[in-house]
Amino acid sequence: GAVVSQHPSWVICKSGTSVKIECRSLDFQATTMFWYRQFPKQSLMLMATSNEGSKATYEQGVEKDKFLINHASLTLSTLTVTSAHPEDSSFYICSASAPETSGSYEQYFGPGTRLTVT
Amino acid sequence: GDSVTQMEGPVTLSEEAFLTINCTYTATGYPSLFWYVQYPGEGLQLLLKATKADDKGSNKGFEATYRKETTSFHLEKGSVQVSDSAVYFCALKPTPSGTYKYIFGTGTRLKVLA
Repeated sequence: GAVVSQHPSWVICKSGTSVKIECRSLDFQATTMFWYRQFPKQSLMLMATSNEGSKATYEQGVEKDKFLINHASLTLSTLTVTSAHPEDSSFYICSASAPETSGSYEQYFGPGTRLTVT
Repeated sequence: GDSVTQMEGPVTLSEEAFLTINCTYTATGYPSLFWYVQYPGEGLQLLLKATKADDKGSNKGFEATYRKETTSFHLEKGSVQVSDSAVYFCALKPTPSGTYKYIFGTGTRLKVLA
């Protein structure tokens, strides 16, 4: 159980275009989803936290107008990179949070999406 | 604030060698602790976890013990294989309950040679 998928797994787009990445919790309802960015050989950088039905909370330094996050349902969150530029090329990972029987909330990670902007 | 410190990599070992990857943390309260593994080109997979002091998490021959007195959660494996080559992340969840952001270490790259 607790499987998270991402689509697409990789995408190449031209500079100036927008690209949408989907994150789905396949077998559970996720009240909260997180979006991370990972640069080569580096750790994960949290970009934003999204709760279903409300606006995402962005981390300091992340442009909310560039990285649009929508969490329209308990099983789907999307990240749209608007007007993409080569410096937006990165590995984007989402995670979904669901309550455990203990009452705690763990994050379950998707497989990641590699974005290359040419 | 809360933080996680991992040993710098890369770590290069021969097959069947003993592995230790150090992880220490700073946190208030009673955090949960995790080790994640990331294989090349893939997302993160939970390797093991511990939610309270003296808990030992184990999986696939890896183990780590939550040591509150030394604020550590070192990852160990008695005999590594080439297939264990990956990046390992230590992570902390600041509170044991409720939705909360994870704090990740910088990751330690492990390379196992045949």
